[in-house]
Amino acid sequence: GENVEQHPSTLSVQEGDSAVIKCTYSDSASNYFPWYKQELGKGPQLIIDIRSNVGEKKDQRIAVTLNKTAKHFSLHITETQPEDSAVYFCAARWGNNAGNMLTFGGGTRLMVKP
Amino acid sequence: SAVISQKPSRDICQRGTSLTIQCQVDSQVTMMFWYRQQPGQSLTLIATANQGSEATYESGFVIDKFPISRPNLTFSTLTVSNMSPEDSSIYLCSVVGGQSLSGTQYFGPGTRLLVL
Repeated sequence: GENVEQHPSTLSVQEGDSAVIKCTYSDSASNYFPWYKQELGKGPQLIIDIRSNVGEKKDQRIAVTLNKTAKHFSLHITETQPEDSAVYFCAARWGNNAGNMLTFGGGTRLMVKP
Repeated sequence: SAVISQKPSRDICQRGTSLTIQCQVDSQVTMMFWYRQQPGQSLTLIATANQGSEATYESGFVIDKFPISRPNLTFSTLTVSNMSPEDSSIYLCSVVGGQSLSGTQYFGPGTRLLVL
């Protein structure tokens, strides 16, 4: 089955700096890669996702890049703010059928210092 | 996106008892899932809640411990049976939005369970 590795497990940055979180996956058939943000006491919220037919996707300060050959994808947050502090999870899914399961990475705790 | 609510939001229970968690979605959805998130850990899929039929459980989870119901396309329940302290976790309902089989997946706010 699919295996998703996420690094780093914790990341501390200064407000205004950029943050990068990386994930690798094992199943070359995976073609959907979402990122979730989980704030303390809340459920995971989808912040951005990418499908395997594109290499990069941006939404304001957030971007995701995908390297299918190397089987890794990354989340980039620019101009970090204290409210970006949360746990971030990457995930991967194969096939176009949502009945196929998402496999999650282990999570990254991001701390943005004011 | 789908708006998901869960009840209760948190509970403290005694070992040996059972707790039923409800998940309500504001629109009909194709897929509903139940996840467990142990303290400081990632998300683990318990089962897929199938409308009108028995749930599909992942390895390590059984129906006797985690019975699930899904009577319609907007509602599901998860029961944590005969609880022990090891069941202390966040339980999350998740759905794939709308009727699309390739849709994005959303999560509810979670139910925080502490078993004493």
